[in-house]
Amino acid sequence: EAGVAQSPRYKIIEKRQSVAFWCNPISGHATLYWYQQILGQGPKLLIQFQNNGVVDDSQLPKDRFSAERLKGVDSTLKIQPAKLEDSAVYLCASSLRLAEIPGELFFGEGSRLTVL
Amino acid sequence: GENVEQHPSTLSVQEGDSAVIKCTYSDSASNYFPWYKQELGKRPQLIIDIRSNVGEKKDQRIAVTLNKTAKHFSLHITETQPEDSAVYFCAASPQGNKLTFGGGTRVLVKP
Repeated sequence: EAGVAQSPRYKIIEKRQSVAFWCNPISGHATLYWYQQILGQGPKLLIQFQNNGVVDDSQLPKDRFSAERLKGVDSTLKIQPAKLEDSAVYLCASSLRLAEIPGELFFGEGSRLTVL
Repeated sequence: GENVEQHPSTLSVQEGDSAVIKCTYSDSASNYFPWYKQELGKRPQLIIDIRSNVGEKKDQRIAVTLNKTAKHFSLHITETQPEDSAVYFCAASPQGNKLTFGGGTRVLVKP
């Protein structure tokens, strides 16, 4: 079974530039999550999708971050304009279970963003 | 919202000894408590989880205990091995898979 795919693995940009990350979850997984992991900290949930709908985006900084999962499969997370404090690893995860049912999250390798 | 605190932040043990990591949570509605292991440069992976209707769960050398009254839960690793060296994250969720993670514990098992 293929795992959660993410790209790019690494990205270096200057502040005020924009960046986009892509995630393809495990086939058949209904829910998809984007987490931000700052160095030395635990992952922080940014947004949760179920199929092509947003379940929770309460912690997404909507003035600069946006995310979509238009066809209920792959997803894109965009940051525009980037700030220095956005430097982090952006982890995508998916789950076979519906949003209201807890269960194992399968994480991708992450996309490491460095903002200079 | 939920807040999860995790201690210690680093833990060094001799191979064969036990390791214990403790987490506290703030939201009494939380009912799902997973533990994830993240090796250096790798993705987090679920190692064990417990639901609020269970007080203890064990899987080979790993066990998790939950005290709902005190709002804390712990991970116990017995007979530690070098491959147990990693960062461990606890998490809590009051609703489905809406997880709030702790800050992580870096475990180093010395041979």
